[in-house]
Amino acid sequence: NAGVTQTPKFRVLKTGQSMTLLCAQDMNHEYMYWYRQDPGMGLRLIHYSVGEGTTAKGEVPDGYNVSRLKKQNFLLGLESAAPSQTSVYFCASTPGFGNTIYFGEGSWLTVV
Amino acid sequence: KQEVTQIPAALSVPEGENLVLNCSFTDSAIYNLQWFRQDPGKGLTSLLLIQSSQREQTSGRLNASLDKSSGRSTLYIAASQPGDSATYLCAVPYGGATNKLIFGTGTLLAVQP
Repeated sequence: NAGVTQTPKFRVLKTGQSMTLLCAQDMNHEYMYWYRQDPGMGLRLIHYSVGEGTTAKGEVPDGYNVSRLKKQNFLLGLESAAPSQTSVYFCASTPGFGNTIYFGEGSWLTVV
Repeated sequence: KQEVTQIPAALSVPEGENLVLNCSFTDSAIYNLQWFRQDPGKGLTSLLLIQSSQREQTSGRLNASLDKSSGRSTLYIAASQPGDSATYLCAVPYGGATNKLIFGTGTLLAVQP
């Protein structure tokens, strides 16, 4: 049982480059989330989705876009990477409100 | 705005000791509280989920309690082992039925053999 899978695990980007992080879950969960984790800042919500075809902004959405075209996948895009986006990115999913939330292993992104 | 705080920020104990990790939240109108474990370089693993109607949840050597009125939760770890060394995070949902989480600052636990 794979759970929540994130790809890639590590990436180095140059400032201004674009990339997409892929999150895939095999648990048929409705809700999916993208968080970033930074030293001293903890985990902060970037974007989330409460169902296929829906997306919404979290606390720190600037510079990111997302799409949920298929229920099992949640994509996080950086159109023009900035050094401030150097972080560890975590995807998470849950069946719905009030349920346990499951996290992926993380994607380490460095923007130089 | 909900704020979640964890004390202590770091804790070092000898193997075999029982220990308590604390989590405080400012808005008591929560639906549940979740405890996670994070190993270095890894994602978060859910340990326990306590619904607002519950006072305690247990899983093996772990016991979590919730006191909404005082805005506190504790995670009790019995007979600690070196394998328990990790960062422990608590989180509460906000924003209605979207299940978005706001996380505490975490407690870094080191269990010395």
